[in-house]
Amino acid sequence: ETGVTQTPRHLVMGMTNKKSLKCEQHLGHNAMYWYKQSAKKPLELMFVYSLEERVENNSVPSRFSPECPNSSHLFLHLHTLQPEDSALYLCASSQDPRGAIYFGEGSWLTVV
Amino acid sequence: AQTVTQSQPEMSVQEAETVTLSCTYDTSESNYYLFWYKQPPSRQMILVIRQEAYKQQNATENRFSVNFQKAAKSFSLKISDSQLGDTAMYFCAFISGTYKYIFGTGTRLKVLA
Repeated sequence: ETGVTQTPRHLVMGMTNKKSLKCEQHLGHNAMYWYKQSAKKPLELMFVYSLEERVENNSVPSRFSPECPNSSHLFLHLHTLQPEDSALYLCASSQDPRGAIYFGEGSWLTVV
Repeated sequence: AQTVTQSQPEMSVQEAETVTLSCTYDTSESNYYLFWYKQPPSRQMILVIRQEAYKQQNATENRFSVNFQKAAKSFSLKISDSQLGDTAMYFCAFISGTYKYIFGTGTRLKVLA
């Protein structure tokens, strides 16, 4: 069992759909992250939660809505996305706010 | 603004040879941490090595070592005795505050048999 698990691994959605990405960490970490990975661009930090409280929100469009019900689970709710939102979405967790972060395998999102 | 630059988009190396991936960063902070992450074709990114800026000694993890030049703001990764399983994207990352890691654009490394 991997430390950080993401579902679904692949998602295709229309621009008017509402869907969610789920992340679960089994490492007992306090912080969880959403990153967006697009080709030839640096990883973009989207959201960070520490002890279920949002501590970073990097000017992400409101069509992305995070939810952190507890320190082990993180969701990314998707609504009215654009084709340019197609990317790999990576979830991660960490114990130390300046230490190593541990990534999931990612969720490939395609918006059609 | 703090930035991380990886100037080599792609590299290749023969199996058992040594390769060095370059990374430079820009910051006015004196206390920070640097990382190298590896993302194999299966896509799960894993930590390779971590360096604390206040430590003079270069970090080493088995076949992976860094050359940390603080004055030059350089943090290169050396992979010795390259193996086919080292084929991956390698990302350099930096953090000075909390939670807000800054990543480079990555170097795609291919190890040739």
